[in-house]
Amino acid sequence: AQSVTQLDSQVPVFEEAPVELRCNYSSSVSVYLFWYVQYPNQGLQLLLKYLSGSTLVKGINGFEAEFNKSQTSFHLRKPSVHISDTAEYFCAVSLSGGYNKLIFGAGTRLAVHP
Amino acid sequence: SAVISQKPSRDICQRGTSLTIQCQVDSQVTMMFWYRQQPGQSLTLIATANQGSEATYESGFVIDKFPISRPNLTFSTLTVSNMSPEDSSIYLCSVGGSGRATYEQYFGPGTRLTVT
Repeated sequence: AQSVTQLDSQVPVFEEAPVELRCNYSSSVSVYLFWYVQYPNQGLQLLLKYLSGSTLVKGINGFEAEFNKSQTSFHLRKPSVHISDTAEYFCAVSLSGGYNKLIFGAGTRLAVHP
Repeated sequence: SAVISQKPSRDICQRGTSLTIQCQVDSQVTMMFWYRQQPGQSLTLIATANQGSEATYESGFVIDKFPISRPNLTFSTLTVSNMSPEDSSIYLCSVGGSGRATYEQYFGPGTRLTVT
């Protein structure tokens, strides 16, 4: 079975500062990895995904993530955050090879302060 | 990416009643999923709905409580039956497989359900 651990439930940061949201996963088989963002009272929006190939993936809104197989991590980073990045961020994993169910982490609330 | 709509966007229901949530996609998709997000929590998969076959339910979810229909490749419904306050959640549908094999899922805006 797969599982996802998001190490920080809340991350406060000042505007224009860099941020890293941490995600570790557990799986005995090959997986796909995703980061989603949920703005207040909205559905989930896909930020980026890792399927295979280059371990550094770039997504929307200036976010990027690095897949580290040895550490089973998929941390999300942004070099300079904006107030508008304030939201809940979810890391998710699915079995590779098809459209399989997503298993989500508990989420990290990013709060960007002026 | 697919454009997904859900109806209703929110509802307040009495305990013991049932609510049917609709999920409509603007393109044909092979996979549709229904998730639940309890207040302040993450998302949990309820079931996978494939066209032409019975839905596949996750552990802890049963068809009698959450019957699902998938009559075609662009539409699905989830019914929350005999509701109790514990069913108060956001219910989201997601879709995948609308063309190129991107393996990503797109989510609808969700249905916010409150049971009193």
